[in-house]
Amino acid sequence: DADVTQTPRNRITKTGKRIMLECSQTKGHDRMYWYRQDPGLGLRLIYYSFDVKDINKGEISDGYSVSRQAQAKFSLSLESAIPNQTALYFCATGTGLAGNTGELFFGEGSRLTVL
Amino acid sequence: AQSVTQPDIHITVSEGASLELRCNYSYGATPYLFWYVQSPGQGLQLLLKYFSGDTLVQGIKGFEAEFKRSQSSFNLRKPSVHWSDAAEYFCAVGGNTDKLIFGTGTRLQVFP
Repeated sequence: DADVTQTPRNRITKTGKRIMLECSQTKGHDRMYWYRQDPGLGLRLIYYSFDVKDINKGEISDGYSVSRQAQAKFSLSLESAIPNQTALYFCATGTGLAGNTGELFFGEGSRLTVL
Repeated sequence: AQSVTQPDIHITVSEGASLELRCNYSYGATPYLFWYVQSPGQGLQLLLKYFSGDTLVQGIKGFEAEFKRSQSSFNLRKPSVHWSDAAEYFCAVGGNTDKLIFGTGTRLQVFP
């Protein structure tokens, strides 16, 4: 089983619909992240969480919200999806740079298409 | 502002040829530098990282990278490319903010 699991892997939805992307991890990491990948733009940070009570906006948080239900679960919601939110979304976990590791562990991605 | 630039969007090499992928960063403090690889349909996997010490770091799959502070660069190299190296490569920079900033990626195509 994967250490970082994202569901669904693929979703097609319509403009205005609410969508939730879920992420769970078995690595025991405190830190969890949601990134968005678009061709030519690389990965951009949407939200990140350092523990259950610590949630922070990234560089492109508008139109998104998150919930850290437990240490192992971090969900990303699109309250009213729009076509320019069509992208590949990645969840990642990490122990943090302060622990001198710095590595992020990525899920396999959730491809979202908004029609 | 913190940023990462990967000037090459797409690189094509022949199998067995050497490879160098360029990465330049802008960061106000001591940077932590990373290279990740994304194979088609997969998530990102760490190739190597630099925190301190020896400026030439070795990674998995035969890759290495050299940190050059004077040039704000962290270029990725491999002496002999294999067809399985075809993927997208991302450079990233982090520091005491515990967030990684990624470059836009370089897509590597390998011809037999």
